[in-house]
Amino acid sequence: GQNIDQPTEMTATEGAIVQINCTYQTSGFNGLFWYQQHAGEAPTFLSYNVLDGLEEKGRFSSFLSRSKGYSYLLLKELQMKDSASYLCAVRDSNYQLIWGAGTKLIIKP
Amino acid sequence: GAVVSQHPSWVICKSGTSVKIECRSLDFQATTMFWYRQFPKQSLMLMATSNEGSKATYEQGVEKDKFLINHASLTLSTLTVTSAHPEDSSFYICSAREGEGFYEQFFGPGTRLTVL
Repeated sequence: GQNIDQPTEMTATEGAIVQINCTYQTSGFNGLFWYQQHAGEAPTFLSYNVLDGLEEKGRFSSFLSRSKGYSYLLLKELQMKDSASYLCAVRDSNYQLIWGAGTKLIIKP
Repeated sequence: GAVVSQHPSWVICKSGTSVKIECRSLDFQATTMFWYRQFPKQSLMLMATSNEGSKATYEQGVEKDKFLINHASLTLSTLTVTSAHPEDSSFYICSAREGEGFYEQFFGPGTRLTVL
């Protein structure tokens, strides 16, 4: 079966750095996405990785290792507004998005 | 990025009534649209995938006769929750994709349905 694992909840301090991990087992791989979702709102796109390595976009970076079935989202200089759920999703061989359960990130002052 | 709208953003209805939710791609033609449901503190659950002009493909466990999906044009898909019950109360989110393969999915803002 297809499976995506990420921690249920993480807590970090404002101004600090946090890394949210995601491991996956899917039938085929056509890219991995990270989305941010605030409570009561739809997901918003953060990053896309299809090749191994690190993609940096401002305070957010995403890393992929296809051989290990592993990705992480790195958030730097955390702000209170970063409190949200972070969803990892993998596009499988049929180009369908397979979703993780999401990681709720709590930022404390 | 492309814009997807949903209407209404929230709706409250009585048990037994039907509710229609619209999803529109505003600045692109959506070959494929997806309907998701999300219960509190849970991740997105894909309900169905629809391609313009053809019948929707429903995920296992989703009742076709209860959740009617119509993708009549390249910019509009509708989800009708028929004979809604309190257990149908959820956050419904649509997303749209311009073509097959590597095209990105864009999400609508979601519709909060509460069935009394």
